[in-house]
Amino acid sequence: GNSVTQMEGPVTLSEEAFLTINCTYTATGYPSLFWYVQYPGEGLQLLLKATKADDKGSNKGFEATYRKETTSFHLEKGSVQVSDSAVYFCALSDSGPRKLIFGQGTELSVKP
Amino acid sequence: GAVVSQHPSWVICKSGTSVKIECRSLDFQATTMFWYRQFPKQSLMLMATSNEGSKATYEQGVEKDKFLINHASLTLSTLTVTSAHPEDSSFYICSARGGVTYNEQFFGPGTRLTVL
Repeated sequence: GNSVTQMEGPVTLSEEAFLTINCTYTATGYPSLFWYVQYPGEGLQLLLKATKADDKGSNKGFEATYRKETTSFHLEKGSVQVSDSAVYFCALSDSGPRKLIFGQGTELSVKP
Repeated sequence: GAVVSQHPSWVICKSGTSVKIECRSLDFQATTMFWYRQFPKQSLMLMATSNEGSKATYEQGVEKDKFLINHASLTLSTLTVTSAHPEDSSFYICSARGGVTYNEQFFGPGTRLTVL
């Protein structure tokens, strides 16, 4: 079945450091891929998405490229801020019922 | 736009009682709503999918008699945890999609349930 695997956290970085959170997936067909962010005590917010191979999603300085050949959708940001501290979830949506399947989440902590 | 609310944001109840959680789409009509459960420091697990006016579709392993879902209108879905027990304590999150937002799910802020 479909699944998503993320790198384990927590990830601790200093402000202005480069961020990479790895995400790989297993899916049949052509899923859409998403990154969601969950700030403490809040629900999930869509950060970015890509709907087909080689698409790059970007938002708020974050970006991720849909790589079908490596079945990956790694999240990157060139310079993180303290306000980026949150839990990040990679997810896929299959082409059928479009249910979201989430990775286990990666907690990011950015220190000043 | 595309705001989803949940009520209550947290609830504490005694073992054996039932608890109802509401999920509302505030500015769009949600033809489909989803209910998730999130354990501490873990991912979201889809519990069920509900389409307005029809019975919910439950994921494997989710007790439909335990977690009653009603989606009676295009803006409201409810999850009732019946005869709650401490192991039902969790963070419950709903999401909704519909209309112009059909290709995207919008998430509520979640409800923290604690069963004593």
